Amino acid sequence: KAGVTQTPRYLIKTRGQQVTLSCSPISGHRSVSWYQQTPGQGLQFLFEYFSETQRNKGNFPGRFSGRQFSNSRSEMNVSTLELGDSALYLCASSLRGTGGINSPLHFGNGTRLTVT
Amino acid sequence: DAKTTQPNSMESNEEEPVHLPCNHSTISGTDYIHWYRQLPSQGPEYVIHGLTSNVNNRMASLAIAEDRKSSTLILHRATLRDAAVYYCILRDTGNQFYFGTGTSLTVIP
Repeated sequence: KAGVTQTPRYLIKTRGQQVTLSCSPISGHRSVSWYQQTPGQGLQFLFEYFSETQRNKGNFPGRFSGRQFSNSRSEMNVSTLELGDSALYLCASSLRGTGGINSPLHFGNGTRLTVT
Repeated sequence: DAKTTQPNSMESNEEEPVHLPCNHSTISGTDYIHWYRQLPSQGPEYVIHGLTSNVNNRMASLAIAEDRKSSTLILHRATLRDAAVYYCILRDTGNQFYFGTGTSLTVIP
């Protein structure tokens, strides 16, 4: 079974631009969640989608948005990029998401975003 | 937000058991305790989870204190491949995962 796939693996953008990251979950998984990882803040939850609906949202500004498609693939968008948005963005899928306590998260290897 | 406290780093000799502690004094009755680990240049990987009783799987064991205010992840025989950052996380139904900064485990050959 293929794991969680994130594309692209690396991305370099300049301040003010926008970026879209993609995540393909494990087949059959309906929940996709996104995390931002930085050396100073660690892993921080961005949002979770389940069956195309946003179910939870972390404490990030509105510049960070996402969506999920009918095939459970998800995209994350960051508009008006700032230097502080440089981070590793991780996507995770699970069978039942936050509604399923016994449904572990399966992570991709992330997209490394550098904003210059 | 239920939070956890872990040591920043630990060392272990190869083939020795490793006990990774986690304090979660504000845990609620419905919080599950999850452990994940993150190897260099990879996303986090699920290790184990439990509610009240001790749990075992092929990767590790989870020992949960009787008052549930602390837990310990036990790697029975550390290998070089176990060198990673280990995250202890509390999770409740309907809520997202809250990752702390984890414990960086170094395995010494």
